[in-house]
Amino acid sequence: LAKTTQPISMDSYEGQEVNITCSHNNIATNDYITWYQQFPSQGPRFIIQGYKTKVTNEVASLFIPADRKSSTLSLPRVSLSDTAVYYCLVVIYGGSQGNLIFGKGTKLSVKP
Amino acid sequence: DVKVTQSSRYLVKRTGEKVFLECVQDMDHENMFWYRQDPGLGLRLIYFSYDVKMKEKGDIPEGYSVSREKKERFSLILESASTNQTSMYLCASSELFRGSSGANVLTFGAGSRLTVL
Repeated sequence: LAKTTQPISMDSYEGQEVNITCSHNNIATNDYITWYQQFPSQGPRFIIQGYKTKVTNEVASLFIPADRKSSTLSLPRVSLSDTAVYYCLVVIYGGSQGNLIFGKGTKLSVKP
Repeated sequence: DVKVTQSSRYLVKRTGEKVFLECVQDMDHENMFWYRQDPGLGLRLIYFSYDVKMKEKGDIPEGYSVSREKKERFSLILESASTNQTSMYLCASSELFRGSSGANVLTFGAGSRLTVL
């Protein structure tokens, strides 16, 4: 099964761009990469998902290199409200529905 | 706009008690999951279900059981609670993978924080 590795924590200041990288060296051909955001006392919520190259939505961008062994979540111009834990998740495409491997999360602290 | 509801946000139980954690989703999702979340360990899958009355073990099923009698409801059961089961428990649901539409996206509940004394 694919495993993910991401930094334990990161610090940033308001207005900066933040990039969080997740490595998934053993990712399978069919795996998608999904990122979730979690605030204290809440469940994680979906941010963005991708398979290759670049995906952008109103919240973030996701960059996936050609070898797909890593992915980078990019948050443009963060604010204090972006302080949260961010999880990288590798999803098995078409396999067992339960093979959803979460990383241990990156705690992002945004300072004024 | 609540889609995944966990019946109890906070519970305090004693060692040896039987504990039921209930989860209900209103999105008609086929898949439902129970995770536990502990500091430094992230989210770990306990059990999941892809259909009514179907269940499969996740990474850490020991000490837990589950029940899915109806599509919208997935219950986590601790037959005899122990102190090492003190944790945050998160329920999630997703659509059944149907093909080329991409991978499933999980919708989580707010969590149930269980303390076992």
